[in-house]
Amino acid sequence: GEDVEQSLFLSVREGDSSVINCTYTDSSSTYLYWYKQEPGAGLQLLTYIFSNMDMKQDQRLTVLLNKKDKHLSLRIADTQTGDSAIYFCAERKTGANNLFFGTGTRLTVIP
Amino acid sequence: SQTIHQWPATLVQPVGSPLSLECTVEGTSNPNLYWYRQAAGRGLQLLFYSVGIGQISSEVPQNLSASRPQDRQFILSSKKLLLSDSGFYLCAWSVQAGANVLTFGAGSRLTVL
Repeated sequence: GEDVEQSLFLSVREGDSSVINCTYTDSSSTYLYWYKQEPGAGLQLLTYIFSNMDMKQDQRLTVLLNKKDKHLSLRIADTQTGDSAIYFCAERKTGANNLFFGTGTRLTVIP
Repeated sequence: SQTIHQWPATLVQPVGSPLSLECTVEGTSNPNLYWYRQAAGRGLQLLFYSVGIGQISSEVPQNLSASRPQDRQFILSSKKLLLSDSGFYLCAWSVQAGANVLTFGAGSRLTVL
């Protein structure tokens, strides 16, 4: 997991926007992903972005990709208490069958 | 639709005992299969992945092993557990094309005492 870096913790107030950041190492990575893990559960895919895109929006979620800086972010608009979870960034390196995950960012939403 | 089943959900085992975690996928054929481990406070570590029956790739040296006896069955085993094997084990599958999106099972929490 050391190849993909994320901050460990983020706290936001309910109704505010959350921005979770990630840096990855392989500039030739083809796809980048965001997963959500609720307590005691497996990982759930939130969204993914192909490397030739710089933005993807899906309802309250906006993904921004800066290939030059190898930086990926996930913005959650109007954050709700149900958004409290661990968020994992992952990259698929060229030629790899598996994904490389970051350490995860624990998002806490304060009512 | 595709589903992934993983069991047991929770396991408490003494040091030195054997381990068998099982994962099966329904609704697809010839999937890629994966075992990841999530240790407390840490990210996901890839343990094994398989692109076909009997084809296992290991990412890290350890006292764990994996087998794929059938197309949609992936088993994680150990002959003798160590304390450091405690963690949350996640099985996942993906199709062998395109975005390679991984779909995860619910996880198996292993505590070695």
